[in-house]
Amino acid sequence: DTEVTQTPKHLVMGMTNKKSLKCEQHMGHRAMYWYKQKAKKPPELMFVYSYEKLSINESVPSRFSPECPNSSLLNLHLHALQPEDSALYLCASSHPVRAGELFFGEGSRLTVL
Amino acid sequence: AQSVTQLDSHVSVSEGTPVLLRCNYSSSYSPSLFWYVQHPNKGLQLLLKYTSAATLVKGINGFEAEFKKSETSFHLTKPSAHMSDAAEYFCVVSNYGGSQGNLIFGKGTKLSVKP
Repeated sequence: DTEVTQTPKHLVMGMTNKKSLKCEQHMGHRAMYWYKQKAKKPPELMFVYSYEKLSINESVPSRFSPECPNSSLLNLHLHALQPEDSALYLCASSHPVRAGELFFGEGSRLTVL
Repeated sequence: AQSVTQLDSHVSVSEGTPVLLRCNYSSSYSPSLFWYVQHPNKGLQLLLKYTSAATLVKGINGFEAEFKKSETSFHLTKPSAHMSDAAEYFCVVSNYGGSQGNLIFGKGTKLSVKP
């Protein structure tokens, strides 16, 4: 069983909708990540939060808006997405001094119509 | 600059036979190297890591990898494949001199296991 929980597992949305992806971990990790993974490709880093502050934004379009309300939660707010944004969105967490050792959730599969 | 190359996009083995997934890396620094596994419709799971301690690293589920600096390789092996090993495997290099997000993923190797 994964210790990083992502909801929802599946999401279908239109291009004008607003939705959110949620991620939760209770391992005491202070670094949390959002990755995007297209079919048959490796994950691509989107955002990194370290101690609840955004530390990396990999030039992600503003239609993706991350939020870290506390040390256990990470959200990804979605608005005005495009069909090409359809992908598996993975959340991960890590201990601050063991970067590289990521714990991943099972992902949220997003389909944009 | 860091990079990692997985030499095979697809490897097929029979159950009970050895597994070899090949990975070469390029790094300006002493690298940290990882193998992750992703089963269908699942997230990634860390199999093992190399961080400049022992060059032969043992991981979960019977997998191991050997760091060979002279060959810039970090190949993943398992003596006997099991059906449950069928998955996508990613070789990853990290530059700890950079940010926490500085992980470079290989393109992945899909492992198929035939009964």
